[in-house]
Amino acid sequence: EAQVTQNPRYLITVTGKKLTVTCSQNMNHEYMSWYRQDPGLGLRQIYYSMNVEVTDKGDVPEGYKVSRKEKRNFPLILESPSPNQTSLYFCASSLPPRQGVSTDTQYFGPGTRLTVL
Amino acid sequence: AQSVTQPDIHITVSEGASLELRCNYSYGATPYLFWYVQSPGQGLQLLLKYFSGDTLVQGIKGFEAEFKRSQSSFNLRKPSVHWSDAAEYFCAVGATDFGNEKLTFGTGTRLTIIP
Repeated sequence: EAQVTQNPRYLITVTGKKLTVTCSQNMNHEYMSWYRQDPGLGLRQIYYSMNVEVTDKGDVPEGYKVSRKEKRNFPLILESPSPNQTSLYFCASSLPPRQGVSTDTQYFGPGTRLTVL
Repeated sequence: AQSVTQPDIHITVSEGASLELRCNYSYGATPYLFWYVQSPGQGLQLLLKYFSGDTLVQGIKGFEAEFKRSQSSFNLRKPSVHWSDAAEYFCAVGATDFGNEKLTFGTGTRLTIIP
C-alpha cells in the first residue's frame, strides 16, 4: 500500500529538549516536504527536498532542520523546541510535476501533533 | 514571493446546491496551482492541480477548477454538493522555477453543508 508514515503521531515535550519527527514514504518519490498547520494560518511549508541531499527552505524554516540521506526518509529535527513550535505537522511526498496531469497523486502523512511546554 | 488569498473563511451551502470556492494568487510567472481538501482530523487530499494547458481542470469527487490568468484566480467548483463534501479546502500556489515544489497555501475555507 502506497503511504507516507510519520512518527510519533503525538508528542508532548519540554522547551529545549531536542526531538526528531520521522517521515518515510514507500513510493520512490523524489519530492518530499514538511508543513505545519496552525489555526487561521493554514499550512505553511517548513522545508522541502527535491531529491537525496537536495533540500531548501520553505516559508517558515526557523528553528527546524531536515536531512535527506535516503530517498524514502525525510526527518524533521527540532534542535531546541520552543512553545511557538506547538503545531500539527504534516509530511508529504510526490513525483515531480508532469504536464497535462491534473490529479497526479500527492500523498500526505497522517500528521504529528506536537506540544512544547 | 508567491502568495494565496482565500477570501471566504466559511461558506454554508445546502446539499444539492452548486458550490464555488474562491482563490486568488500572486506570482510573477505561470504558477502551479492546487486545491486540497482536509476532512476533520484527517490529512490533506489533493483534489486537482494545474500546471499548463487547458485552463479548466477536472479533479476527483466531481470537482473542477478554472485558471484565469487575467484575474489571477483559480476558483474551485462543484455543480451539486453532497453532505460528505463538508471539510476545509485549501488552495495553494507552487513556484515553477526549476520545477521545484515550494508550495504556499491559503488559510483555507471551511465548507458546511446543510440538509
